[in-house]
Amino acid sequence: DAGITQSPRYKITETGRQVTLMCHQTWSHSYMFWYRQDLGHGLRLIYYSAAADITDKGEVPDGYVVSRSKTENFPLTLESATRSQTSVYFCASSARISGANVLTFGAGSRLTVL
Amino acid sequence: AQSVTQLGSHVSVSEGALVLLRCNYSSSVPPYLFWYVQYPNQGLQLLLKYTSAATLVKGINGFEAEFKKSETSFHLTKPSAHMSDAAEYFCAVSAGMNYGGSQGNLIFGKGTKLSVKP
Repeated sequence: DAGITQSPRYKITETGRQVTLMCHQTWSHSYMFWYRQDLGHGLRLIYYSAAADITDKGEVPDGYVVSRSKTENFPLTLESATRSQTSVYFCASSARISGANVLTFGAGSRLTVL
Repeated sequence: AQSVTQLGSHVSVSEGALVLLRCNYSSSVPPYLFWYVQYPNQGLQLLLKYTSAATLVKGINGFEAEFKKSETSFHLTKPSAHMSDAAEYFCAVSAGMNYGGSQGNLIFGKGTKLSVKP
């Protein structure tokens, strides 16, 4: 299916464990983004990537690691999960549509850290 | 710096009534503005966007928004609410030169949850 696919959709883990959230897009868009959504905060940018092997920090990068060895994949890793990382995580890619770069989002990954 | 303020975290309307969701923005550069909708357990979907062309922007599902520079506002309206409009709505502004803003990164408001009563 065309679009952005995130996996897993739901994950429960324990404090201190490593967790990787996967993101795959079928459009070959250059730019990809990871956001977290928390009640009362809206969406905040964690990391973004301009192309394969080019990544950069966003607004709230602490505790997260990303990689992008292929254009279509942009995994997000929590190296040692903490309760404050309980959140819903959204991956997005951007494309030029009618004069503006527009974000298209995946369905999200809901992570609970116990 | 770019920021977005959505007035009212919850809005409730009756079916058939006018929907008005308020958004004010701050931007150090001419803004691109967006409204997204999020249904339960789903990602965000683009409703409409403003890119400095017409100030009145029409989107999907009968929604529209008007860009008012003097008021720094971009309120979302729909003349007649439908039960299927119940969702959370996010206003967003392009992030300028920060964090990939020129390539799509947005600064989001905190969201407004719309309830529609039968």
